[in-house]
Amino acid sequence: NAGVTQTPKFRILKIGQSMTLQCAQDMNHNYMYWYRQDPGMGLKLIYYSVGAGITDKGEVPNGYNVSRSTTEDFPLRLELAAPSQTSVYFCASSSTTGTGKQGTDTQYFGPGTRLTVL
Amino acid sequence: DAKTTQPTSMDCAEGRAANLPCNHSTISGNEYVYWYRQIHSQGPQYIIHGLKNNETNEMASLIITEDRKSSTLILPHATLRDTAVYYCIVRALAQKLVFGQGTRLTINP
Repeated sequence: NAGVTQTPKFRILKIGQSMTLQCAQDMNHNYMYWYRQDPGMGLKLIYYSVGAGITDKGEVPNGYNVSRSTTEDFPLRLELAAPSQTSVYFCASSSTTGTGKQGTDTQYFGPGTRLTVL
Repeated sequence: DAKTTQPTSMDCAEGRAANLPCNHSTISGNEYVYWYRQIHSQGPQYIIHGLKNNETNEMASLIITEDRKSSTLILPHATLRDTAVYYCIVRALAQKLVFGQGTRLTINP
């Protein structure tokens, strides 16, 4: 199991450019999440998905879009990059089915994408 | 907003037990206590969680008071690699994880 993988690891964008941050998980988890973490701060939820075809906004969704066409993938789209979107982005997944630790919705995180917008 | 209160920072000597406290006085009956940690620049790592009984796994022990208003995460033999920010999070199943500021734990040689 690779767990949760994210690409790219690093990216520099110019203001107004767009990009897609990729996230994939191979644990057959139904829930997936996108967080951002600004320097010295805790994580803030951007969007989440409870299953393929279903997405919902978190605390800070403005400037982002998501889609969930498969169980495995949950890409995050930035349409018009702004300096305020400079951050580290983490993807996570969890399962609300099953037993034991898996059944209690433990979230597993990817290694992150460090994005700078200049 | 985070429903927990943790000290901003703590120090511990290598090889000793690190005891990290967390207050969650408004916890509801269906809410679990989760602990995650984040080593510099990495994604948060799950450590342990519990509802009302004490829990132990290969990484740590979780002690929850009888009234469930506070808990302590114990790393029994801290190593330098345990230096990280530790987050105590209270949530019910399928609720969002809300990360506060956490406790910055420094393990000293």
